[in-house]
Amino acid sequence: KNEVEQSPQNLTAQEGEFITINCSYSVGISALHWLQQHPGGGIVSLFMLSSGKKKHGRLIATINIQEKHSSLHITASHPRDSAVYICAVNPGSEKLVFGKGTKLTVNP
Amino acid sequence: NAGVMQNPRHLVRRRGQEARLRCSPMKGHSHVYWYRQLPEEGLKFMVYLQKENIIDESGMPKERFSAEFPKEGPSILRIQQVVRGDSAAYFCASSPRGQGIRELFFGEGSRLTVL
Repeated sequence: KNEVEQSPQNLTAQEGEFITINCSYSVGISALHWLQQHPGGGIVSLFMLSSGKKKHGRLIATINIQEKHSSLHITASHPRDSAVYICAVNPGSEKLVFGKGTKLTVNP
Repeated sequence: NAGVMQNPRHLVRRRGQEARLRCSPMKGHSHVYWYRQLPEEGLKFMVYLQKENIIDESGMPKERFSAEFPKEGPSILRIQQVVRGDSAAYFCASSPRGQGIRELFFGEGSRLTVL
């Protein structure tokens, strides 16, 4: 079993829909990251969380440390949000442990 | 302020050749991390370096792989005698300091294809 599990693996939505991507982890962490990767492209850091909730534009990330769970929400989704979203945790060392990613496709 | 710069973006090598991947961190960043993304798999940590020091190389294969981050110049990930299984995207990230990792800034990646 991976230390970081994401669900769903693939997600297709219609433009405008509210999107939730989940991340569960099994180790103690000092921080959790949400990353975005476009096809053939680089990786962009969206959020780094250690508690509570953060919001940036249409993106919201929450974390529940006790339940070892985080969610990434996208409101009013748009085709340009189509990408792979990756959850990564920092288990207290300098090494990040990554989930396998959720591939999001938003259709117009 | 330029971001993390990786080159080459794409590299093709034949089995047995050497691959050198370069990473210039963001200005003012002295911590560099290398990650590998195999096809259809998630990212995996390889090595963490500070200037002139390898801090943690526990994710790097013991044979054929090496990394450095000299006092001057970019960080280099070197793969000797490449094999087909080395085909992957290699990402570099930098951070102003470690201590549990602040926000990471990633490069565009170097995509290695071994024929």
